[in-house]
Amino acid sequence: QVQLVESGGGVVQPGRSLRLSCAASGFTFSTFGMHWVRQAPGKGLEWVAVLWSDESNKFYADSVKGRFTISRDISKNTLYLQMNSLRVDDTAVYYCARVSGVAALDYWGQGTLVTVSS
Amino acid sequence: QSALTQPASVSGSPGQSITIFCTGTSSDIGSYNYVSWHQQHPGKAPKLLIYDVSNRPAGISSRFSGSKSGNTASLTISGLQAEDDADYYCSSFTSSSIGVFGTGTKVTVL
Repeated sequence: QVQLVESGGGVVQPGRSLRLSCAASGFTFSTFGMHWVRQAPGKGLEWVAVLWSDESNKFYADSVKGRFTISRDISKNTLYLQMNSLRVDDTAVYYCARVSGVAALDYWGQGTLVTVSS
Repeated sequence: QSALTQPASVSGSPGQSITIFCTGTSSDIGSYNYVSWHQQHPGKAPKLLIYDVSNRPAGISSRFSGSKSGNTASLTISGLQAEDDADYYCSSFTSSSIGVFGTGTKVTVL
């Protein structure tokens, strides 16, 4: 069965960096687009980054553009989110999700909490 | 990318039907048939209920149905059940190629 497991969250000071990982299993990782979505405590969902299945395109929310980078390692079936210059308002649970078709996020991980605080 | 607009809360009694509306713009809902709906229980990851406006993934109850008209999408839950008590989020593909979510609706089963 499809499984997505995030890791790498934690407490980090403003301005520092963190890399999140999302280990995928149960499907052919190289043939699906992958997304990162976040949810600040008590708030709604926010799309963060998109990676097309052929890696030809990557898209980012304006709030993270220039600071976050989405990537993947097919040999490890793992999706990454490199987060630099972290800000307090980046504090959130970060979910990775598989996309089916154009924009249907059909499988989600359990999320990993990132807390940016001094 | 401004969030799509949803009512903060909707409530209904068991067995009733409720509809949640999601309003966007011509840059998202109005231009693409890529509207999804997700259900989220407290402390859990979102779960896909509807994709591409009106399609249900395997295993999703037929009590959930979606539609779209112009810049507004809607999710109808018929035969409301206790387990439907949760947060619901619409989302849409956008002209900037990254999706946008709705503000979220808390459904309360009375």
